[in-house]
Amino acid sequence: DAKTTQPTSMDCAEGRAANLPCNHSTISGNEYVYWYRQIHSQGPQYIIHGLKNNETNEMASLIITEDRKSSTLILPHATLRDTAVYYCIATGGVSGNTPLVFGKGTRLSVIA
Amino acid sequence: DTGVSQDPRHKITKRGQNVTFRCDPISEHNRLYWYRQTLGQGPEFLTYFQNEAQLEKSRLLSDRFSAERPKGSFSTLEIQRTEQGDSAMYLCASRRDSMSDTQYFGPGTRLTVL
Repeated sequence: DAKTTQPTSMDCAEGRAANLPCNHSTISGNEYVYWYRQIHSQGPQYIIHGLKNNETNEMASLIITEDRKSSTLILPHATLRDTAVYYCIATGGVSGNTPLVFGKGTRLSVIA
Repeated sequence: DTGVSQDPRHKITKRGQNVTFRCDPISEHNRLYWYRQTLGQGPEFLTYFQNEAQLEKSRLLSDRFSAERPKGSFSTLEIQRTEQGDSAMYLCASRRDSMSDTQYFGPGTRLTVL
């Protein structure tokens, strides 16, 4: 799996958009970009994933650069409940059965 | 609730005791994963099953650890002769058998070894 790098921590004002960057410069052509988040003492929660195109669901938007070397997770209107550690993972490959490799993620603090 | 469930949610044990955790995956998910997470770190892969077959083990899975999925449904993770270093959150995840399908995690079992 390609290695990803994320900022250690970020702050965001409640109600504003939270933009969480991720670099994955060694990503291969068939690897997906996945985002999970983990609220304190809970299991990781799936947010969104994408391969090449930008994606949007009820939780967030994922913007992937054209060269696929980086991506941004956007939480459009952050709330206090979005305070969590956010993990960006590049995975999948040909077989699609590789375990997820988590880094330390970005600790997002949403401030009232 | 049709999500991944884990039991127990919390376990406190004394060093040297054996413990067993259970994971019930989402129905029809034939791949099941176990991860371990220590304080301040992201989850680390331990092992995974496709149906009842254990297909991969991490080097983190010492010989004191054993996992089973006898009927291809629920799975158990046993730790024998627990050590204080085994204290961690043990997470289970499941997914369907397709190339890009997502892993869904359970709430985890927090183990404290005294």
